[in-house]
Amino acid sequence: NAGVTQTPKFRVLKTGQSMTLLCAQDMNHEYMYWYRQDPGMGLRLIHYSVGEGTTAKGEVPDGYNVSRLKKQNFLLGLESAAPSQTSVYFCASSYGVRGDTQYFGPGTRLTVL
Amino acid sequence: AQSVTQLGSHVSVSEGALVLLRCNYSSSVPPYLFWYVQYPNQGLQLLLKYTSAATLVKGINGFEAEFKKSETSFHLTKPSAHMSDAAEYFCAVSDPGTGGFKTIFGAGTRLFVKA
Repeated sequence: NAGVTQTPKFRVLKTGQSMTLLCAQDMNHEYMYWYRQDPGMGLRLIHYSVGEGTTAKGEVPDGYNVSRLKKQNFLLGLESAAPSQTSVYFCASSYGVRGDTQYFGPGTRLTVL
Repeated sequence: AQSVTQLGSHVSVSEGALVLLRCNYSSSVPPYLFWYVQYPNQGLQLLLKYTSAATLVKGINGFEAEFKKSETSFHLTKPSAHMSDAAEYFCAVSDPGTGGFKTIFGAGTRLFVKA
């Protein structure tokens, strides 16, 4: 099992450019999450999904969109990147929700110039 | 509203010394509590979790944590630090009352282990 994988690992964008981050999991998990990690702030939830075809906003959703067309994939889009979106992005998945362990991908380091 | 406070953004210990990483939480109901570890350039992985069973929880790599409701704490300990324990540690809380969808992470504590 590969677990949770993320593509790409690194990316540099110019302000206003768009991009999509791909997350894939092979554990048949229902729940998937996108977080951003900034120094001194821990992880903050951007969006999450409770199943194929469903998405919901997390703590910091502005400037991001997501889609979950297939159960194993969860895409995070930035339509018009801003320097404030420079961060490390983590995808995670879990079997259930109540007290279940979240399994994290290795992260994508994004720099917006 | 839930919140998590980790006391100390950096903790330094000598190899073989006790590791104590502090976490206090705020929640209106008994929460689920987690400790995750992040090694350099990697994602987070679970160390241990409390889900309303035994208050003393044992995790991987010799770590354990005790849920103390009266103190709203969930401190992480390890009797003897090893060089390989150097990493960043995150305490997290999930409120069953909200369906558990939102896990709130603390700001993290970076552990340094000196030889």
